[in-house]
Amino acid sequence: ETGVTQTPRHLVMGMTNKKSLKCEQHLGHNAMYWYKQSAKKPLELMFVYSLEERVENNSVPSRFSPECPNSSHLFLHLHTLQPEDSALYLCASSQVSGGGDYGYTFGSGTRLTVV
Amino acid sequence: KNQVEQSPQSLIILEGKNCTLQCNYTVSPFSNLRWYKQDTGRGPVSLTIMTFSENTKSNGRYTATLDADTKQSSLHITASQLSDSASYICVVSGTVSGGYNKLIFGAGTRLAVHP
Repeated sequence: ETGVTQTPRHLVMGMTNKKSLKCEQHLGHNAMYWYKQSAKKPLELMFVYSLEERVENNSVPSRFSPECPNSSHLFLHLHTLQPEDSALYLCASSQVSGGGDYGYTFGSGTRLTVV
Repeated sequence: KNQVEQSPQSLIILEGKNCTLQCNYTVSPFSNLRWYKQDTGRGPVSLTIMTFSENTKSNGRYTATLDADTKQSSLHITASQLSDSASYICVVSGTVSGGYNKLIFGAGTRLAVHP
């Protein structure tokens, strides 16, 4: 394990469902990230939380809603998704200080399939 | 436009052989360059990270090089093993914004090691 745990590992949901992805980091980091990885495409940054404040929202549709209740936990709430949202969703964490980030670590991801 | 391009897109080699993967980037300003290994359906795992002043860095059978003048990097794998089969992703860290480094991801090179 990398120190960043994502659950569930696999998720199949209908377009009318509501579900949540969970990420927990055990590294004492102060920043957490959500990425989307579609087949044969580079990772796309979705959201960044630094010190529990959302500092970036990369033009992500409102059907994706992040939540960061504390520095160790990050959620991605999903509702009325589309089939093209099927992808691997990765969580990452890092320690941000002195103008840089350190120890950037990814979780194992949640494979999401929208049917 | 900040971009990271990797070549080849995919590669097949025989077990025990060496190989070199390429990465060209146009990210500016530059903070550091990272190589990640990503097994299918898993999150990326860091192999090396190099700053502007570093030309080479090794991690076991993996050796990364960086030429900051030509904005090129390579990842050399020595004596390949079946477990090296994975995607290798070049990531360039750009401007510091909001207290964190913005990562620009390449699309990856898919390596298959055959017995």
